[in-house]
Amino acid sequence: GAVVSQHPSWVICKSGTSVKIECRSLDFQATTMFWYRQFPKQSLMLMATSNEGSKATYEQGVEKDKFLINHASLTLSTLTVTSAHPEDSSFYICSARETGDLTDTQYFGPGTRLTVL
Amino acid sequence: LAKTTQPISMDSYEGQEVNITCSHNNIATNDYITWYQQFPSQGPRFIIQGYKTKVTNEVASLFIPADRKSSTLSLPRVSLSDTAVYYCLVVIYSSASKIIFGSGTRLSIRP
Repeated sequence: GAVVSQHPSWVICKSGTSVKIECRSLDFQATTMFWYRQFPKQSLMLMATSNEGSKATYEQGVEKDKFLINHASLTLSTLTVTSAHPEDSSFYICSARETGDLTDTQYFGPGTRLTVL
Repeated sequence: LAKTTQPISMDSYEGQEVNITCSHNNIATNDYITWYQQFPSQGPRFIIQGYKTKVTNEVASLFIPADRKSSTLSLPRVSLSDTAVYYCLVVIYSSASKIIFGSGTRLSIRP
């Protein structure tokens, strides 16, 4: 299957700082990428849909000024958590949508563990 | 978005066949059924996708009855490494439709 990478795999930062997470589709182009957040023992929660060359669409309750998303190319989307606080500590996962004549599937990255002290 | 319902948890033993059933009563004509597997602290891994009848790949089979209101993921001869959470999702094919995850099924395999 298609491969999606995330960087970094984990990050620890101080409260008030900003953290950028990268999501890359390694062997296919993705016009649409998605960002999820997952707390322990819970399911994935969709945060936003990232479309190449346009503004991201945020889910209800997700602050767009706090979680900045940029999808500048067909293989890269970034999520920046601005002024991070301990309650932003979570597991962040991206996915990229691969489409073709016979395929339309989302592939997920390995996730990024964010810990805010 | 079609809502899915699946068992919260299941237990089985190594070497057994495991069948996880998912209910999606409100599935629409253009919806596809997709299953993902997730291990702790990892992103979900695509297992299989289908529209109707039966789909098989190297790791699983997916059975979908004619009315498409349910589907069954079949894992043949499971091993300890198949212990994970399995998510059943319904996605509109060829659309920018987002995926909303349900609670998934926590599968535990015992020796």
